[in-house]
Amino acid sequence: TQLLEQSPQFLSIQEGENLTVYCNSSSVFSSLQWYRQEPGEGPVLLVTVVTGGEVKKLKRLTFQFGDARKDSSLHITAAQPGDTGLYLCAGKPSGTYKYIFGTGTRLKVLA
Amino acid sequence: EAGVAQSPRYKIIEKRQSVAFWCNPISGHATLYWYQQILGQGPKLLIQFQNNGVVDDSQLPKDRFSAERLKGVDSTLKIQPAKLEDSAVYLCASSPSAGGGVTEQYFGPGTRLTVT
Repeated sequence: TQLLEQSPQFLSIQEGENLTVYCNSSSVFSSLQWYRQEPGEGPVLLVTVVTGGEVKKLKRLTFQFGDARKDSSLHITAAQPGDTGLYLCAGKPSGTYKYIFGTGTRLKVLA
Repeated sequence: EAGVAQSPRYKIIEKRQSVAFWCNPISGHATLYWYQQILGQGPKLLIQFQNNGVVDDSQLPKDRFSAERLKGVDSTLKIQPAKLEDSAVYLCASSPSAGGGVTEQYFGPGTRLTVT
């Protein structure tokens, strides 16, 4: 069974701090996505990365795909209360057609 | 553009009862997914449809769960009989297509099921 481990599982920080969330696997992925999910809602896609070593920026969020396409990170600069939510990575293992979701990181940003 | 619609939003049933969830995907989306998300975990794919055909149902507990997508549009997921461990949020998602390339999934708000 392919597994995507995320760390940390929980994170509570003050507004203005920086943080990094990690997504790791032993599998190689053809693409990897990051989602944010707020209470009572479905996940919303933030970004898709497809190339090893790729870095994408979305305002204060920076996403990186590992060189070997087995891992990824999400870095948030100057976190805001609106960043609070469950962050999920989802990878599509090479040669397959479906995404597998990670275990999730629950982030709380305190004002 | 209307998003993915799901109903009901909440359901409470007793164990051994049956329950059904409904999903209407984004218009024109060929692929429809049902996920189970247990509290505090990531979603787990139960079944994937391409139009009205099943692409993957390897993680669907077929002794109690069933799903159909008649006419390749909306879909229903049924549980009969329910067990306590079925308590979860059931998410429906759709995408324009599925395959080896990048797939962007659009999720509905989910149905929160509590089995007592």
